[in-house]
Amino acid sequence: RKEVEQDPGPFNVPEGATVAFNCTYSNSASQSFFWYRQDCRKEPKLLMSVYSSGNEDGRFTAQLNRASQYISLLIRDSKLSDSATYLCVVWAGDNYGQNFVFGPGTRLSVLP
Amino acid sequence: EAGVAQSPRYKIIEKRQSVAFWCNPISGHATLYWYQQILGQGPKLLIQFQNNGVVDDSQLPKDRFSAERLKGVDSTLKIQPAKLEDSAVYLCASSRTGAYGYTFGSGTRLTVV
Repeated sequence: RKEVEQDPGPFNVPEGATVAFNCTYSNSASQSFFWYRQDCRKEPKLLMSVYSSGNEDGRFTAQLNRASQYISLLIRDSKLSDSATYLCVVWAGDNYGQNFVFGPGTRLSVLP
Repeated sequence: EAGVAQSPRYKIIEKRQSVAFWCNPISGHATLYWYQQILGQGPKLLIQFQNNGVVDDSQLPKDRFSAERLKGVDSTLKIQPAKLEDSAVYLCASSRTGAYGYTFGSGTRLTVV
């Protein structure tokens, strides 16, 4: 079983749609969780952190369920500029090797 | 704050040749990571340094890949000899401590022909 798994995608949605991505992780010692965005031929960039209480940043909402080891990202009112690959990232702590682990990513295409 | 610097941006080599990539992390960042990202996949960690010591190199193909971080600052990743399947983007990232402030460089795109 892979350490971090994501919806395989790709997701093709019309502008204005709501889309949700799911991510599961296997390391129960994981401490912090993030969503990164990666544009074509660019490096990954932090989109948002994911907190246990859930957090929102504009049109983006992230949720964490530690019991189920599950993370989600919801994008409302999709824009063309949201087209990218979304990477789920799990961090296990400073004392661990391999402590910053990326999922395979889910590609989103927002269509006009 | 200057970002993570990587060079070169692009490299094309023939199989069995050798190649080296360079990374200069953000000043003060103790942890440095090298990732390999094959097209369509997420970044895969190759090696993780804490200052000038190796924390984890379990996924580094040591028969052909080597990396060093002398003086705990910049780092070099080498492939010798290269194979076709090494074609990928090699990303360097650094962080101070913890997961926050984790920043990627723009990567080196390697094509092995």
